[in-house]
Order: sequence, then structure tokens, then C-alpha cells
Amino acid sequence: AQSVSQHNHHVILSEAASLELGCNYSYGGTVNLFWYVQYPGQHLQLLLKYFSGDPLVKGIKGFEAEFIKSKFSFNLRKPSVQWSDTAEYFCAVTGYTGTASKLTFGTGTRLQVTL
Amino acid sequence: ETGVTQTPRHLVMGMTNKKSLKCEQHLGHNAMYWYKQSAKKPLELMFVYNFKEQTENNSVPSRFSPECPNSSHLFLHLHTLQPEDSALYLCASSIRGAETEAFFGQGTRLTVV
Repeated sequence: AQSVSQHNHHVILSEAASLELGCNYSYGGTVNLFWYVQYPGQHLQLLLKYFSGDPLVKGIKGFEAEFIKSKFSFNLRKPSVQWSDTAEYFCAVTGYTGTASKLTFGTGTRLQVTL
Repeated sequence: ETGVTQTPRHLVMGMTNKKSLKCEQHLGHNAMYWYKQSAKKPLELMFVYNFKEQTENNSVPSRFSPECPNSSHLFLHLHTLQPEDSALYLCASSIRGAETEAFFGQGTRLTVV
């Protein structure tokens, strides 16, 4: 079965600090990887995704993530966070199981950016 | 606005009530999903529909009953729920299957009293 681990449950940073959120997944086959963000009171939205090709992917709002296959990791980074980045961040993976695929999420990381 | 609309946004129901959650998308997607989001837990996939056919039931209790009359609409019928079923229920849709990007609705905040 596929699973996703997010090790940081709650992160507090000052504005302009650098961010790295960890994500590790468990799945034996080919995977697609995603980071979703949920701003307070809003719906889940896609931040970035990796399907194939360059393992360093860039998303919206200056976020990027690196897929390291040997480590089963897909960590999210941003060089300089802003107060508006305060949100909950979810790592997700899809893999094929039988005839269908399903999107599996981690527990999420709550990011709080202080002024 | 994601193109996925869920109603109602909030619902309070007693344990003996019957209610339904509705999800609608006009993105041309052919896969739709129900997820449960509880505090401090991963999003739990409940049901998957591909081309109106249920392809996944993630061991969900029978007090939750999904219905997908067409590829644009998805319902979750609720009856005799328990207080521990209180959560945010999210609907999502995607093209083809979960291997592509999923678009989420804003969810229905359900409270069972």
C-alpha cells in the first residue's frame, strides 16, 4: 500500500526565512507526486507536481520541490517565505493499484509565518 | 473558485437524521472523489468514481452511501451517523484518474450531534 509521511506537523518561521518541508513516500512502483496548499478558509489547491523529467520542479508563488528517487522524498522549499504563505501544506502521491490509481495524502504541515 | 462546488458548506445533523452532500463540477472531468478530512489525520480517501462507475470503496461504513448519476455530479448520502463522523468532507475531480491533478471543492463541514 502507498503511504506518505510528513515529519513536520507545525512550523513557525519569520518572514524572509527559508522553508523546507519534508515528505517521504512509500510505494514500489512509478509515482506521481504533488504538493497541495490549503489557505485558511479556502479549498485545497495544487502548488506543484512531478510526473517525470527534471526532478526539480517549480510551482506557484516561488515554491519548488525536488524528487529524490533514492530517498523516496519530495521535499518542498522556498528561499524566502512571506506572511501570506501561512497555510497548511499537504504532500500527496499517486500510484497505480490494480485497475485504478488513487491519490494518498500525508497528514499535512501547518506553516505559520510571523511578521 | 476551482470549478468544483459543494453544498451545503455547513451541516449539523442528529444521529438519526438522513441528509445528503452534493458535489458538482463542470470541468469536463471524468473522475470524482470523496475525501474525509479530520483534525490531525491524513485526508482519507472514501470513494472513487471513474466514468460514473465506482472503482474504489476504501472500507467506508455503510452509513455513507455515494451516488454518481452522471460525470458532473456526485452525492454522499448520510444516515445514522456517529459523532466521530464529524469532519470536513471534500469532493474532488480530475481527468482520467488520480494520476492527474485533482481539483477540490471547499468542502462541507459536518457536525453530528
